[in-house]
Amino acid sequence: QLQLQESGPGLLKPSETLSLTCTVSGVSISSSSDYWGWMRQPPGKGLEWIGSTYNGASTYYNSSLKNRVSISADPSKNQFFLTLNSVTAADTALYFCVRDEGIAVAGIDFWGQGILVTVSS
Amino acid sequence: EIVLTQSPATLSLSPGDSATLSCRASQSVKTYLAWYQQRPGQAPSLLISDASNRATGVPARFSGSGSGTDFSLTISSLEPEDFAVYYCQQRSTWPSFTFGPGTKVD
Repeated sequence: QLQLQESGPGLLKPSETLSLTCTVSGVSISSSSDYWGWMRQPPGKGLEWIGSTYNGASTYYNSSLKNRVSISADPSKNQFFLTLNSVTAADTALYFCVRDEGIAVAGIDFWGQGILVTVSS
Repeated sequence: EIVLTQSPATLSLSPGDSATLSCRASQSVKTYLAWYQQRPGQAPSLLISDASNRATGVPARFSGSGSGTDFSLTISSLEPEDFAVYYCQQRSTWPSFTFGPGTKVD
């Protein structure tokens, strides 16, 4: 059974860099045709797509975050990563790593449980 | 950017009632629309893809319809576990996409 697990610090100060890891089990992120991505959800609010990667080589980002975000992967560890620079309180959210089925007619079929990241001085 | 609008924001119903949720796109997304359910304290889960295809394991009481700019999600007879927030997601610009603001069924 495919599982995704987020890990990383839960508390950051403004201007610091957010770094999260998603560890995938049950399928190899380098051998599948799927896309692996990050979503976030501010407390009490809706969902926002941050970005996605295919095979760790191709990356796609939300244009509103493009200047601050980077997604990468380490297939040898079956992990992918999120880096978000210069965080502010507006980046406080529950961050999910996800698997996207890789085509427009499909959907995001697996989600991690989420990790709460709080930005506060 | 394609903007999704969901209505109503909140739907107050009782178990056994039927629910119809609406999602409208600012421009055509063909049928590239998915629906997700998010129960309190949980990650979202995929209900419907390609506007009308139920995901694996999703009960038949959930159905989706629509194309272009107007879509709906219908729950034929609400079960207690269906009281949740529902989000639509447009995938016509995949691999980038946007979500609607959600409809809460309570």
